[in-house]
Amino acid sequence: SQTIHQWPATLVQPVGSPLSLECTVEGTSNPNLYWYRQAAGRGLQLLFYSVGIGQISSEVPQNLSASRPQDRQFILSSKKLLLSDSGFYLCAWTPGWPYEQYFGPGTRLTVT
Amino acid sequence: DQQVKQNSPSLSVQEGRISILNCDYTNSMFDYFLWYKKYPAEGPTFLISISSIKDKNEDGRFTVFLNKSAKHLSLHIVPSQPGDSAVYFCAAKRGTSGSRLTFGEGTQLTVNP
Repeated sequence: SQTIHQWPATLVQPVGSPLSLECTVEGTSNPNLYWYRQAAGRGLQLLFYSVGIGQISSEVPQNLSASRPQDRQFILSSKKLLLSDSGFYLCAWTPGWPYEQYFGPGTRLTVT
Repeated sequence: DQQVKQNSPSLSVQEGRISILNCDYTNSMFDYFLWYKKYPAEGPTFLISISSIKDKNEDGRFTVFLNKSAKHLSLHIVPSQPGDSAVYFCAAKRGTSGSRLTFGEGTQLTVNP
């Protein structure tokens, strides 16, 4: 069966510090991968998606970036965090069909 | 532009009664719709989906209805249980968007014992 992992679970970082969140998927190959953010009291905002190694599409321009160095690894990064980057970050995957996306446990990021 | 809208931020029902969660969309190109359930500090879990060629899909206590002319879908939970208390998100996929989903803002359902 497939499993999706995210770490760390929680993170407190000062403004201006770098960020690296990691997501890995087990039990499947060539998944479509996604990074979402849920700000407090808001819905799920798609940040990045990837259909293959090195292929990244950005949905929202911001100071975040994403990379996919391996087939089942998706990394969310920032060089300098802003207060507005605080939120709950979720990684998700789908085989493409069916269309259901499967989410990881999330990372709670607090920028202070 | 919020293409998928859940206009009720919260809903409270009694255990055993029906819960009806609503979702409206504006993009007529959406061809597949999904509902997710989310507990605090966890990732959303998939509940049920429906293709635009159908108007109803049922899975146990969960039924999703789609009214394409009104661009409206709803999730019915019967009977509601306290463990159903969570945030429910509807999501939609455009025919040309690959597997990308557009999510609504979510509705907090509280089922009271």
